[in-house]
Amino acid sequence: LAKTTQPISMDSYEGQEVNITCSHNNIATNDYITWYQQFPSQGPRFIIQGYKTKVTNEVASLFIPADRKSSTLSLPRVSLSDTAVYYCLVGDNGGATNKLIFGTGTLLAVQP
Amino acid sequence: KAGVTQTPRYLIKTRGQQVTLSCSPISGHRSVSWYQQTPGQGLQFLFEYFSETQRNKGNFPGRFSGRQFSNSRSEMNVSTLELGDSALYLCASRVEGGYEQYFGPGTRLTVT
Repeated sequence: LAKTTQPISMDSYEGQEVNITCSHNNIATNDYITWYQQFPSQGPRFIIQGYKTKVTNEVASLFIPADRKSSTLSLPRVSLSDTAVYYCLVGDNGGATNKLIFGTGTLLAVQP
Repeated sequence: KAGVTQTPRYLIKTRGQQVTLSCSPISGHRSVSWYQQTPGQGLQFLFEYFSETQRNKGNFPGRFSGRQFSNSRSEMNVSTLELGDSALYLCASRVEGGYEQYFGPGTRLTVT
């Protein structure tokens, strides 16, 4: 399973767009890129998943360049409630091998 | 549809004792995975069950075991508790072939 590297922490202000980048140099052909959000003392919550190019849903966008060695989670107009740890995961987690490998995550702190 | 439920939510045990944690997946989800989360090691995969069979296992000692029942409910057991077993234990379920994991609120285990 590919190892991921992300910033340990980021700071932002309400209303700003936040971009969190994740590096995954050893991503395999079958691997997908998935992002989860976790609030203190709660289980992680799925945000978005993608394979290549751009994926957008109601809460975030995921940008994946052609070489797929990195990805960027984009959160538009963050609010205080977006303060959480964001995890980038890489793997074939939709198949039989369902072993999610969580890295250290990025603690996003949103200030008023 | 009800989410993933875990019982108990909080537990205090003494070193050397054993503990059993329970997880009820979302209705229709047959895959259940368990994770341990600690401040030092982050989120680590313990094991996954599908149709009452353990399908994947993480790097944990044999003191950690689990099982799944015919109704997909799962239990996790830790024997001979150590101080280092103090953690948030998370359970997640998904539909077979699905990539999105749904996490429960976790059980906070404290070993004294």
